[in-house]
Formats: sequence, structure tokens, C-alpha cells
Amino acid sequence: RKEVEQDPGPFNVPEGATVAFNCTYSNSASQSFFWYRQDCRKEPKLLMSVYSSGNEDGRFTAQLNRASQYISLLIRDSKLSDSATYLCVVNMIQAGTALIFGKGTTLSVSS
Amino acid sequence: EPEVTQTPSHQVTQMGQEVILRCVPISNHLYFYWYRQILGQKVEFLVSFYNNEISEKSEIFDDQFSVERPDGSNFTLKIRSTKLEDSAMYFCASKGFEGSYEQYFGPGTRLTVT
Repeated sequence: RKEVEQDPGPFNVPEGATVAFNCTYSNSASQSFFWYRQDCRKEPKLLMSVYSSGNEDGRFTAQLNRASQYISLLIRDSKLSDSATYLCVVNMIQAGTALIFGKGTTLSVSS
Repeated sequence: EPEVTQTPSHQVTQMGQEVILRCVPISNHLYFYWYRQILGQKVEFLVSFYNNEISEKSEIFDDQFSVERPDGSNFTLKIRSTKLEDSAMYFCASKGFEGSYEQYFGPGTRLTVT
């Protein structure tokens, strides 16, 4: 069973669209949750941490449902510059401080 | 803004050779990591390092791998005898303190083993 699962996409959307990504994790003891963004052949960059109460940063909103072991990321008013791969990342207590990555969901925003 | 740096950006080596990948974590960070990403695959944890010793390692991090913090700034990953399957991007990451889980990644070293 995969630890962190994401729909690989690609999601192809026009500028201005709203797009949502989902992620599920297998270990209920998971402690911390993140969305990272990765451009082609670049390093993962922290987009936002995800809290149980949900959190918003500009056009980005992240939600966590611990009961369903489900994380989401909503991007509103998509920009061309949002084109990237979005990585769902969790930290599991048994793994210490190591981050466990999903394979990522690819977003392509077109004009 | 402080950032993690890595050198070299690209390393080509022959199978069986030793390579050392170098990282300079963010200066006041205490926890250091190596991850790798084989082309087209997910980012995978290799090892974490705290207080001058390995705190966790994955099953990927076998006896051919070692890490070191030789001075107050550098953090290195050594692969003793490289294999073709070691070809990947190697990312260094650091985080500040216990209780924080946000890790910041360097730009990576692309290792190509021929």
C-alpha cells in the first residue's frame, strides 16, 4: 500500500481557472502535512504547511481531514506561473523527521 | 533569504568510482537531510543527521553511503562505489529546530553514473 497517493494528472486548465488536488495517506499516525511545489528538474519548494483547521495563503487553500486521511490543495485564479508539479508530503512519527513524498500532480496552466 | 546550497550541480562518474556531494545548509539550522529523486519518480528519504550523528536512515542508505559534517558549515554525502542505479538528483535539506517539520531544500546535484 502506497504511503502517500496522488492523482498524477496532468491537469490542464486555462488561466483564471480554479483547480483542486487531492492526496491520501496511509498511516493514521502521520503528524505533519505539507504541499511542496516542484518545477521541472528543480528542488521541491515549500508551498504551505497544512493544518487541521485549514489554511489559506493568497490564492492557495489547503485542507486536512484526519478522519479520512485526506489532504487537499485548492488553487484559485490560476496563473501561467502556477504550472508545476505539486507534491503532497507527510511526516510520519515512526519515520522520525523524514518527509514522505507523494509522486506529485502535474498542473499545466495555459493562456 | 537564507538558502541551502549544493555543489556540484552536475557530477558525471564511472561505475565503481567514489563521489562526494556537498551541501551548505541554512546557517542556524540543526537538522540535515539527504533525499534522492530518480528521474520520473518520487523524492525518497535517504538519511537525517543531527548533533553530529545519523538520527535516521532509510533502507536505501546502505553501507556504500556515508554522511559527514566535516566543519561548521558543510554537510557531505559520500557514495563509495557508485552503481548505475545511483544515477539520480540528490537533494540536501535542512530544518531549524525540534518541533518544526518544515524542511528547505537545496537545488540538488544531478549524479550520472556511466
